[in-house]
Amino acid sequence: GAVVSQHPSWVICKSGTSVKIECRSLDFQATTMFWYRQFPKQSLMLMATSNEGSKATYEQGVEKDKFLINHASLTLSTLTVTSAHPEDSSFYICSARDSQRFRQAGTEAFFGQGTRLTVV
Amino acid sequence: TQLLEQSPQFLSIQEGENLTVYCNSSSVFSSLQWYRQEPGEGPVLLVTVVTGGEVKKLKRLTFQFGDARKDSSLHITAAQPGDTGLYLCAGRGVGSTLDSRGSTLGRLYFGRGTQLTVWP
Repeated sequence: GAVVSQHPSWVICKSGTSVKIECRSLDFQATTMFWYRQFPKQSLMLMATSNEGSKATYEQGVEKDKFLINHASLTLSTLTVTSAHPEDSSFYICSARDSQRFRQAGTEAFFGQGTRLTVV
Repeated sequence: TQLLEQSPQFLSIQEGENLTVYCNSSSVFSSLQWYRQEPGEGPVLLVTVVTGGEVKKLKRLTFQFGDARKDSSLHITAAQPGDTGLYLCAGRGVGSTLDSRGSTLGRLYFGRGTQLTVWP
């Protein structure tokens, strides 16, 4: 199956600093990537949809100036948590859509392994 | 409001028992996916069902998509401790926009998840 790599797997940062999380599609091109946030024992909450070459679309209630998304190439999207605070501590997960396979199957989206962010 | 209602939220059973997880909605989905997630990792796709009434089997797991494409179920036969994990259903909405490659965009709506624990 398709591979999506997320880096780093975990990060600890001081309150007020910024953290960048990378999401890469390793063996396919992804015109669309999605960023999710997950709290312990809860489901995934979509934060934003990242489209290659255009601005990301943010879900209601998600601050676009705090969660900066850049999708500069067909294989890389980044999420930067700016001026992080302890309440931003969470598990962040990206997924990438295989545009070629998606068109054929109409269904596929593959997930990265997630990034555990702890703000102290 | 939760677009996809997943039940039960928690399930604790003995090895060898059968179980069913349900995913219900009042909305129609173009497809529905089932994922399994281990702690600290991203979700792993188990199956995608696309056609109303479709049934797919994956060893001891049986997935069914409702005729109206509004609900789905996951049945596990003779559960094993290795089946322990968080099971997530996700329905893909009917997309109305296109990405740069011409693929229709329909976001995934996740259920709340079912935490399954199988005791030896």
